[in-house]
Amino acid sequence: KNEVEQSPQNLTAQEGEFITINCSYSVGISALHWLQQHPGGGIVSLFMLSSGKKKHGRLIATINIQEKHSSLHITASHPRDSAVYICAVESPLGGNQFYFGTGTSLTVIP
Amino acid sequence: GAVVSQHPSWVICKSGTSVKIECRSLDFQATTMFWYRQFPKQSLMLMATSNEGSKATYEQGVEKDKFLINHASLTLSTLTVTSAHPEDSSFYICSASVPHPSTVNTGELFFGEGSRLTVL
Repeated sequence: KNEVEQSPQNLTAQEGEFITINCSYSVGISALHWLQQHPGGGIVSLFMLSSGKKKHGRLIATINIQEKHSSLHITASHPRDSAVYICAVESPLGGNQFYFGTGTSLTVIP
Repeated sequence: GAVVSQHPSWVICKSGTSVKIECRSLDFQATTMFWYRQFPKQSLMLMATSNEGSKATYEQGVEKDKFLINHASLTLSTLTVTSAHPEDSSFYICSASVPHPSTVNTGELFFGEGSRLTVL
């Protein structure tokens, strides 16, 4: 059983659509990270959050600690948003252990 | 944002040789760096956590004698794949964190560009 589950695994959207990627986890966490990995392999940290909601441009991340669930939303999606989005949680057990989701591959079609 | 540089981006080596990958934080001091491995179409797998001036903490199943990690300064960590074999071929990525002293969190992560290792 994976400590972090992401859905969907693959997602294709038309340009302009509102996109939601979900992340559920089963461990106690001190923080949750949303990462973006482009086809070339480079990874960018989009958000680190431990409660509530954060917004950066067209990206919004929310987390519900009680439900152990986080969502990443992309408004007005664009082809350049095409990437793999990875949810990672940081657990304080064992000295800040990281667990990674398997990623959501997003393709935005013009 | 903070910049993490990884070198080399690509490396091809013969089986049995050792390969060193460097991870540098360019504009901040990183007390903690992380090393990951990623196979095609799979997510990141954390290999080890590297703290400056101390021995790295390896994840279960990662051979510490195979993957040597050194974090001698606050801006440089190295991963050496010793006696590399074709099954070690993978994409290796490092990240460094900007610590938040007021929280228990590791802090925001900044990733290197990754190093693609091919062992012939």
